[in-house]
Amino acid sequence: DGGITQSPKYLFRKEGQNVTLSCEQNLNHDAMYWYRQDPGQGLRLIYYSQIVNDFQKGDIAEGYSVSREKKESFPLTVTSAQKNPTAFYLCASSINREGLKTQYFGPGTRLLVL
Amino acid sequence: KNQVEQSPQSLIILEGKNCTLQCNYTVSPFSNLRWYKQDTGRGPVSLTIMTFSENTKSNGRYTATLDADTKQSSLHITASQLSDSASYICVVTDNSGGYQKVTFGTGTKLQVIP
Repeated sequence: DGGITQSPKYLFRKEGQNVTLSCEQNLNHDAMYWYRQDPGQGLRLIYYSQIVNDFQKGDIAEGYSVSREKKESFPLTVTSAQKNPTAFYLCASSINREGLKTQYFGPGTRLLVL
Repeated sequence: KNQVEQSPQSLIILEGKNCTLQCNYTVSPFSNLRWYKQDTGRGPVSLTIMTFSENTKSNGRYTATLDADTKQSSLHITASQLSDSASYICVVTDNSGGYQKVTFGTGTKLQVIP
């Protein structure tokens, strides 16, 4: 099956702890994205990457970090600097050329703070 | 600032009835508009995508319309089913070059009851 996978489905973080959310895609898409979804708000962009070994900050990058060492993988680390990390995190990917760029989303990871 | 506003915020309808969801946007320059369906606790799934020159697009019982002059879009659901219960998100992309800026609406939560 082609698609995007995220793991884990639920993640618990203790105070001061860094945690990493996994995102893998086998759609051969160049571009990948991380969004955060909070109740009553639209999705907000954390980081995006248009090509391997390159990524850019989105609108709410503070307290987060990413890496893009492989085309298929775009892990997101929620650091202890992120003071309000409880949210639903969505990873997406798209083809990276001019055009419609429909984004395909993963199933999401819900992060909770203990 | 680019904005996407959706109405109503939530909606309850009887199974078999039709409904229409609204989306108003101020994104400029406009590239495309997409409607996504998001089941609770899952990632969004694309329903339709429309460019400036398209004013209607159908996907089964879902029909989206676009009026680029008034910057309004609607999603019409015909003969609703219980499985249509979900959040419907309007997403508008601008065409400012480079990485295309994507703005998400906050969604309309639809509940279809028997």
